Amino acid sequence: AQSVTQLGSHVSVSEGALVLLRCNYSSSVPPYLFWYVQYPNQGLQLLLKYTTGATLVKGINGFEAEFKKSETSFHLTKPSAHMSDAAEYFCAVKYGNKLVFGAGTILRVKS
Amino acid sequence: DAGVIQSPRHEVTEMGQEVTLRCKPISGHDYLFWYRQTMMRGLELLIYFNNNVPIDDSGMPEDRFSAKMPNASFSTLKIQPSEPRDSAVYFCASSLSWVEYEQFFGPGTRLTVL
Repeated sequence: AQSVTQLGSHVSVSEGALVLLRCNYSSSVPPYLFWYVQYPNQGLQLLLKYTTGATLVKGINGFEAEFKKSETSFHLTKPSAHMSDAAEYFCAVKYGNKLVFGAGTILRVKS
Repeated sequence: DAGVIQSPRHEVTEMGQEVTLRCKPISGHDYLFWYRQTMMRGLELLIYFNNNVPIDDSGMPEDRFSAKMPNASFSTLKIQPSEPRDSAVYFCASSLSWVEYEQFFGPGTRLTVL
């Protein structure tokens, strides 16, 4: 079955620390991969996407993600967390004509 | 462009009443998606349209739910009759193409069924 797994429903980091949000997917073919962010009471906003080409993808707000086919992973990172990064993050994978979303990871940033 | 527009932003209704949620996609986008978000089930795709035609409605929970897209700039999601378990945030999203598949989401409608 097609699935997207985000390890950790809640992640807490200190301001200025590395952010690492994990995403693994089940697919035997090169996928299209996405990270979305959702701030409270808002819709989802695209952070970055991987379709083809370079496996290290840079997005908005200093985030980046690396597609690793051998690990079927697409982890999201940011070198230095900012208070404004506190939100819920969703990994998504295109299967056929649908996007399948992970369960989401809530990022908390401590001052 | 104003982005995806949804109305109303909040809806409170009583069990058994009909509820209609509205969506205006981004102009020129060929794909429109309806999602439901709950704490228990996360983000679920209910139905999607391509060029105003419903392509996949396998996510629609039951016959009480229906969706239409009469033209390229308007879609509705209707629940009749509504039940308390329908309480959720409903998102509409649109996409220019399926190739790169970037979906733009509206702000959502928070539905509460009492």
